[in-house]
Amino acid sequence: SQKIEQNSEALNIQEGKTATLTCNYTNYSPAYLQWYRQDPGRGPVFLLLIRENEKEKRKERLKVTFDTTLKQSLFHITASQPADSATYLCALAGASKIIFGSGTRLSIRP
Amino acid sequence: DGGITQSPKYLFRKEGQNVTLSCEQNLNHDAMYWYRQDPGQGLRLIYYSQIVNDFQKGDIAEGYSVSREKKESFPLTVTSAQKNPTAFYLCASSTEDREGPYEQYFGPGTRLTVT
Repeated sequence: SQKIEQNSEALNIQEGKTATLTCNYTNYSPAYLQWYRQDPGRGPVFLLLIRENEKEKRKERLKVTFDTTLKQSLFHITASQPADSATYLCALAGASKIIFGSGTRLSIRP
Repeated sequence: DGGITQSPKYLFRKEGQNVTLSCEQNLNHDAMYWYRQDPGQGLRLIYYSQIVNDFQKGDIAEGYSVSREKKESFPLTVTSAQKNPTAFYLCASSTEDREGPYEQYFGPGTRLTVT
């Protein structure tokens, strides 16, 4: 069956450093991979979408890579700030469906 | 102000009662979705609708029902048949192409507690 795995452990990063989150998947060939941010008690907010034929996408301090051979996406936040603390979800979309990972909780300490 | 709204934010019900969660969007999106989120877990798809008057079961549809009579509205009913209904419910909408959904816009969620 299709499976998405994200870092199960919370990630604690010093302010100013780069945070790197991992999303691995199996038994799926997504057309797109998406990243969302979710704050406690709120709905997820869309951050970035990358297509299967794209290797990398950037938006301000965010960078996403997508390796369809490794079946992996990396999500980077450069110059991290305490305000970046949240849970980050990856999602795979294709064949008219979308499936979400369980998320990685990121904490940025001052 | 374009967006997606859910009401109420908190809902309390006694076991054995059906309850309907509201979801409205003014983004003119064809596709709408209902997810359930339990603590420490990802989003699990309950139902989705790609067009008015049509909807499909997701991975955990048992004990739930939906309707899509208008493009803007996609209410979810949690029936008494749902064994473990206490959860955080999220509604979303998106555009799609033949390959799949684009970014999803989520509502603020409804936290349902059944005792």
